[in-house]
Amino acid sequence: DAGVIQSPRHEVTEMGQEVTLRCKPISGHNSLFWYRQTMMRGLELLIYFNNNVPIDDSGMPEDRFSAKMPNASFSTLKIQPSEPRDSAVYFCASSPTSGRAAGELFFGEGSRLTVL
Amino acid sequence: RKEVEQDPGPFNVPEGATVAFNCTYSNSASQSFFWYRQDCRKEPKLLMSVYSSGNEDGRFTAQLNRASQYISLLIRDSKLSDSATYLCAVNGFGNEKLTFGTGTRLTIIP
Repeated sequence: DAGVIQSPRHEVTEMGQEVTLRCKPISGHNSLFWYRQTMMRGLELLIYFNNNVPIDDSGMPEDRFSAKMPNASFSTLKIQPSEPRDSAVYFCASSPTSGRAAGELFFGEGSRLTVL
Repeated sequence: RKEVEQDPGPFNVPEGATVAFNCTYSNSASQSFFWYRQDCRKEPKLLMSVYSSGNEDGRFTAQLNRASQYISLLIRDSKLSDSATYLCAVNGFGNEKLTFGTGTRLTIIP
């Protein structure tokens, strides 16, 4: 079975440019999470969705960040305009809400963003 | 106080030794606890869930101490392949939101 699929794996962009990160969760998983990981701050939850509805976006740093989940198989995280301090690895994760693996997060391989 | 705290290490441990990590959490209503393993430049992967009664999986033992609000991970007979960063994760009551510690870096030395 395919795991969580993220794209792009790597992105280098210049300050001020728009960045869009994409995620396809595992089929059948009801919850989707966007995390950001840096050396200084570790893994931080940005936002999560349940059944495509945003539940908690308190971790979104500021208005430059937005996330959508138009359907059960796709989500985007957009940064506009990007800044050097946004450089990090962005992970998408999905989770089933029932069954043996309920609550377990399955992570994608991450999108490594560098903003120059 | 951070919601979830871990000693960042690094822990440099000889092969075959036993090593233990602790992770403290601040929300006494937390219900679910996990240990994840993250290899360098890879994504975190679930190592084991932590149950109230404690649980064991081969060389790995996880325990929960609700009174003192910490979870622990014990690795016996450590292998070179155990070298990784170990992240604890905790969620709140009735809440899917998982908060991670910053991780403990473990290096097993031949």
